Amino acid sequence: TQLLEQSPQFLSIQEGENLTVYCNSSSVFSSLQWYRQEPGEGPVLLVTVVTGGEVKKLKRLTFQFGDARKDSSLHITAAQPGDTGLYLCAGARFNDKVIFGPGTSLSVIP
Amino acid sequence: GAVVSQHPSRVICKSGTSVKIECRSLDFQATTMFWYRQFPKQSLMLMATSNEGSKATYEQGVEKDKFLINHASLTLSTLTVTSAHPEDSSFYICSARGDSISNSPLHFGNGTRLTVT
Repeated sequence: TQLLEQSPQFLSIQEGENLTVYCNSSSVFSSLQWYRQEPGEGPVLLVTVVTGGEVKKLKRLTFQFGDARKDSSLHITAAQPGDTGLYLCAGARFNDKVIFGPGTSLSVIP
Repeated sequence: GAVVSQHPSRVICKSGTSVKIECRSLDFQATTMFWYRQFPKQSLMLMATSNEGSKATYEQGVEKDKFLINHASLTLSTLTVTSAHPEDSSFYICSARGDSISNSPLHFGNGTRLTVT
């Protein structure tokens, strides 16, 4: 059973479009992180959200942590081909273990 | 920013041999290092957690005698795949954290592509 679910699993969009990726769980996390991974490389941290209801912006990326700290979303505005990659959400639990979601594979077509 | 170096980036070995993968934190001391396995287009599967100077904690279903982890210092952890078989072929990634706070970000190495022939 996946403790963290992500949707959609795959997403292919045209350059310039907007998109939202969701990360959901029935568990509460002390924090949630979003990573982007390109093929053949390790994941790179995009953001950490800690407070319920928190919203963080990173250029065209907007991250939100749910009020109950069980879910999060990543919204990309005007997607570019450079945004292509595997987006992973990761929840940190109070016992120090980080759990990764199954990932969302994004492809932005020029 | 914090840098984690993983070596080798690619390795091809024959079935039955052992392979050692190194994970080094270059500019910080890593109290905890994690080892993951990743299949194509899938997420990271945590294999084990290693803390410097103590035995690694393995996830359920991961054979500790097959995947030997040694965290000899605060900057180095190694994963040895013993008696490798073709089904061990995968992308192995390490990550490190500089403190014991669960909210702290994980710093990832660039992974090792293992191919067992």
